[in-house]
Amino acid sequence: GAVVSQHPSRVICKSGTSVKIECRSLDFQATTMFWYRQFPKQSLMLMATSNEGSKATYEQGVEKDKFLINHASLTLSTLTVTSAHPEDSSFYICSARARRATPNTEAFFGQGTRLTVV
Amino acid sequence: QKEVEQDPGPLSVPEGAIVSLNCTYSNSAFQYFMWYRQYSRKGPELLMYTYSSGNKEDGRFTAQVDKSSKYISLFIRDSQPSDSATYLCAIGPLFNTGKLIFGQGTTLQVKP
Repeated sequence: GAVVSQHPSRVICKSGTSVKIECRSLDFQATTMFWYRQFPKQSLMLMATSNEGSKATYEQGVEKDKFLINHASLTLSTLTVTSAHPEDSSFYICSARARRATPNTEAFFGQGTRLTVV
Repeated sequence: QKEVEQDPGPLSVPEGAIVSLNCTYSNSAFQYFMWYRQYSRKGPELLMYTYSSGNKEDGRFTAQVDKSSKYISLFIRDSQPSDSATYLCAIGPLFNTGKLIFGQGTTLQVKP
């Protein structure tokens, strides 16, 4: 399957600082990328959908000013958690869907980023 | 009511057992059904997907969908310790935009 690389895999930051997470599609062009958050023992919750070259669409309850998403190229999307607080500590996962996708084209997931805010 | 309900388990079975994992969903507009496997601290990986009611087999795995009951299942035959993971069902609209709704995930442990 296609490869989606997410970096860093783990980050610890101080409360009040910002953290950037990168999601790269390594061997395909991804017109759409998705950002999910997963709390312990809970399912993945979609935060936002990002299309290359346009503004991200955020799910209800997700603060767009806190979770900044940039999808400037067909292979890279970034999620920046601004002014992070301990309650933002979670597992953040991206997925990428290929260009010219058909209905049965899967979205490939990155390996996730474990964010801990202290 | 959650859009997708999945028993979180944990489920513990002996090696070689048949495992049954299940989800129910509430919105009949969802026509695209997927099962993901997630190992600890890793991203999910796709196991199987299907659109239609009925069974779909892939090796030791069988995905089953009953749209009339809004019920989906994943069966694992001859389970192995390496199958120990969290299994997530996911659903989406027919023309999948990649925007999926996930179940809570069932944690499976296969004991040697």
